[in-house]
Amino acid sequence: DAGITQSPRYKITETGRQVTLMCHQTWSHSYMFWYRQDLGHGLRLIYYSAAADITDKGEVSDGYVVSRSKTENFPLTLESATRSQTSVYFCASSRQNQFRDTQYFGPGTRLTVL
Amino acid sequence: AQSVSQHNHHVILSEAASLELGCNYSYGGTVNLFWYVQYPGQHLQLLLKYFSGDPLVKGIKGFEAEFIKSKFSFNLRKPSVQWSDTAEYFCAVTPRGSGGGADGLTFGKGTHLIIQP
Repeated sequence: DAGITQSPRYKITETGRQVTLMCHQTWSHSYMFWYRQDLGHGLRLIYYSAAADITDKGEVSDGYVVSRSKTENFPLTLESATRSQTSVYFCASSRQNQFRDTQYFGPGTRLTVL
Repeated sequence: AQSVSQHNHHVILSEAASLELGCNYSYGGTVNLFWYVQYPGQHLQLLLKYFSGDPLVKGIKGFEAEFIKSKFSFNLRKPSVQWSDTAEYFCAVTPRGSGGGADGLTFGKGTHLIIQP
């Protein structure tokens, strides 16, 4: 049971480049989420998706784009990376919304923007 | 919007000491509450959660937490810590109600717990 995986685990890129972080889950969970983790801020929600083709912004969505053409995949794209987007990115999924269920997290992607 | 406050950013204890990590939230309605743990180099794992019912919830690895609605608190406790409990601990909250949608979890800034052997 692979659960939820993220790739790449580590990424170094330059300012202005486009970067895509992948998230894949094998549970057929309806809901998927992207968070970023920064020192002193905990985790903050970037985007979430209730189902395929349904996405919505979170607290810190500026500079990010998501898509969800298939239930199991939820890629996060930084259209033009900035240094302030250096962070650890976590993907999560849950069967139902958080009113009823727990979110399960992937291993994270450490992104450095030079 | 809801917010979560974890009062202790760094805690250092000796093995066998008792642990209590504070968590307070700000939200006018009913909430679901969680404690997650992140061991060094690993992803977040759920320790325990509270949705409804008995306000004293037990989680994995001997952890428990008590929801006190009047104090908007959900403190994490463990009677005797071990070196392996060294980790980052996050309290999280999400509103529960008719608002609909999955707005994600709101996390506290985390408590870095170090257990000295």
